Amino acid sequence: KAGVTQTPRYLIKTRGQQVTLSCSPISGHRSVSWYQQTPGQGLQFLFEYFSETQRNKGNFPGRFSGRQFSNSRSEMNVSTLELGDSALYLCASSSRGAQNTEAFFGQGTRLTVV
Amino acid sequence: GESVGLHLPTLSVQEGDNSIINCAYSNSASDYFIWYKQESGKGPQFIIDIRSNMDKRQGQRVTVLLNKTVKHLSLQIAATQPGDSAVYFCAENMGGYNKLIFGAGTRLAVHP
Repeated sequence: KAGVTQTPRYLIKTRGQQVTLSCSPISGHRSVSWYQQTPGQGLQFLFEYFSETQRNKGNFPGRFSGRQFSNSRSEMNVSTLELGDSALYLCASSSRGAQNTEAFFGQGTRLTVV
Repeated sequence: GESVGLHLPTLSVQEGDNSIINCAYSNSASDYFIWYKQESGKGPQFIIDIRSNMDKRQGQRVTVLLNKTVKHLSLQIAATQPGDSAVYFCAENMGGYNKLIFGAGTRLAVHP
């Protein structure tokens, strides 16, 4: 069974640009969550989607957005990039919509903003 | 703010010894806890989880203990091996669907 797949693995963007990251969950998983990981702030929750609906959102500005498609694949978008957006962006998928289920992570997309 | 904290940022152990990584969580309403292991260049890897109606759960070489009275979580690794060297995170689910709040992480270094 394939794991969570994130593309691309690495990305370099310029300040002011926008970026779209992609996440394919484990087959059969309908919940997809996104996290930002930085050395200073650690792992922080961005948002979670289930059946194409955003159910939870973290404390990030509106420049961070996401969506989920009918096949459960998810994308997140960051507009007007800032240097501080440089981070490892991680996607996790879970099998059920209920609470308290294992979340499996992908390898992440390393975004560098210059 | 919402956070799950760790007592020790770095833990060094000898190969073969047992390791204990501790974590303090802040929200008494949290009902689900997970330990993750993250190796360099990889995403967090699920190790073991525990629900709030339990105080102990065992896996292969790992045990998680939950003390709700003092809001404390620990991960015990038996017979620590070089392959266990990584950063370990505890995470709590504060009742939201698949919304995990992570601790700062503890680096485990295993020496031969």
